[in-house]
Amino acid sequence: GNSVTQMEGPVTLSEEAFLTINCTYTATGYPSLFWYVQYPGEGLQLLLKATKADDKGSNKGFEATYRKETTSFHLEKGSVQVSDSAVYFCALGDRGSTLGRLYFGRGTQLTVWP
Amino acid sequence: GAGVSQSPSNKVTEKGKDVELRCDPISGHTALYWYRQSLGQGLEFLIYFQGNSAPDKSGLPSDRFSAERTGGSVSTLTIQRTQQEDSAVYLCASSLNPGQSEKLFFGSGTQLSVL
Repeated sequence: GNSVTQMEGPVTLSEEAFLTINCTYTATGYPSLFWYVQYPGEGLQLLLKATKADDKGSNKGFEATYRKETTSFHLEKGSVQVSDSAVYFCALGDRGSTLGRLYFGRGTQLTVWP
Repeated sequence: GAGVSQSPSNKVTEKGKDVELRCDPISGHTALYWYRQSLGQGLEFLIYFQGNSAPDKSGLPSDRFSAERTGGSVSTLTIQRTQQEDSAVYLCASSLNPGQSEKLFFGSGTQLSVL
């Protein structure tokens, strides 16, 4: 079946530190992979995505590369800001399905201190 | 509307009471999803609507949970005889067409607290 395992938090960093949040997946087909972000008091927003192996998704300085050989989609940012404090969710979408359902990891709380 | 709207934003109820949670998807979006976010858990899929029908309701945790969608628009998630373990944030999402997982828009959720 489909599942996502992501690094447990919370993660606490100082501003300008390097961020990695690990995410690995199990899928029956050829999934699309996503990172969603939930800022305090706001709804879930798509941060970035990758639809096939070796694709790199990027947005707002965040990057993640779809690694089929390691079934991973780790989120990275070279220099975090206080405004990046949020909960980050790794997710998988089964492209073979017409349903559009997503499978989410448990989320990682990131707090960035000035 | 401009985005996915959910109401109420917060609901506190007593154990054993019934609750109704409402979702207004983006106008014209045919696919609608309900997810549940429990403390320390990821987002669990509950049910998917295509138009007014629910091809996938496999995530509903028990027969106390039900959902309907009318007019291809508004959806209501009903929880009967609420239990403390039902406390969670209930999220609704919609997309223009089914299968477009990269084009899902989420609401801000309803925080349900069962005392």
